[in-house]
Amino acid sequence: GAVVSQHPSWVICKSGTSVKIECRSLDFQATTMFWYRQFPKQSLMLMATSNEGSKATYEQGVEKDKFLINHASLTLSTLTVTSAHPEDSSFYICSARAPSTSVYEQYFGPGTRLTVT
Amino acid sequence: ELKVEQNPLFLSMQEGKNYTIYCNYSTTSDRLYWYRQDPGKSLESLFVLLSNGAVKQEGRLMASLDTKARLSTLHITAAVHDLSATYFCAVDISSGAQKLVFGQGTRLTINP
Repeated sequence: GAVVSQHPSWVICKSGTSVKIECRSLDFQATTMFWYRQFPKQSLMLMATSNEGSKATYEQGVEKDKFLINHASLTLSTLTVTSAHPEDSSFYICSARAPSTSVYEQYFGPGTRLTVT
Repeated sequence: ELKVEQNPLFLSMQEGKNYTIYCNYSTTSDRLYWYRQDPGKSLESLFVLLSNGAVKQEGRLMASLDTKARLSTLHITAAVHDLSATYFCAVDISSGAQKLVFGQGTRLTINP
């Protein structure tokens, strides 16, 4: 149980285009999902918290108009990188919070590697 | 500003040896997590530490939490090559809402 998937696992796009990344909780409902970004050989940085049915909460320094997050259902959150540029190339990881409030854990997806050329 | 600092950042050790990775954090929290990451992969959850004095063990890894000292340790006993990976600690700064701040990571290489 508690499986989170991401699609695609990797994507290459041209500068100026937009890319959508999907994050799905496969066997549980997730009211809260998180999006992280990881540059090579660096740590994970929380970008935003995605809550089903409401607007995402972005961390300081993250451009909400550039990184559009939609949590349209209890099993799906999407991250759209708009007008991507080479500096947006990174490893994007989503996670989903455990459905029970007494379980203090989140389950991580396998990640999406974005390369902008 | 919250800081989560791991020490050391790089560790190369021989199989069969013991070592400890330290994780210090600068704000009050009683929830700390340890994760493993293999190259090119996502995170694998190792331990969830939810209270002061918590100690958990799985195989050759043991983690502990001292909330008063704001310190967690990940101890490796009789290391084997398969434990080579990057290890991250993360602190929940949102009183259980799972907003995590990660340490820099410790890249562990275990040589035969």
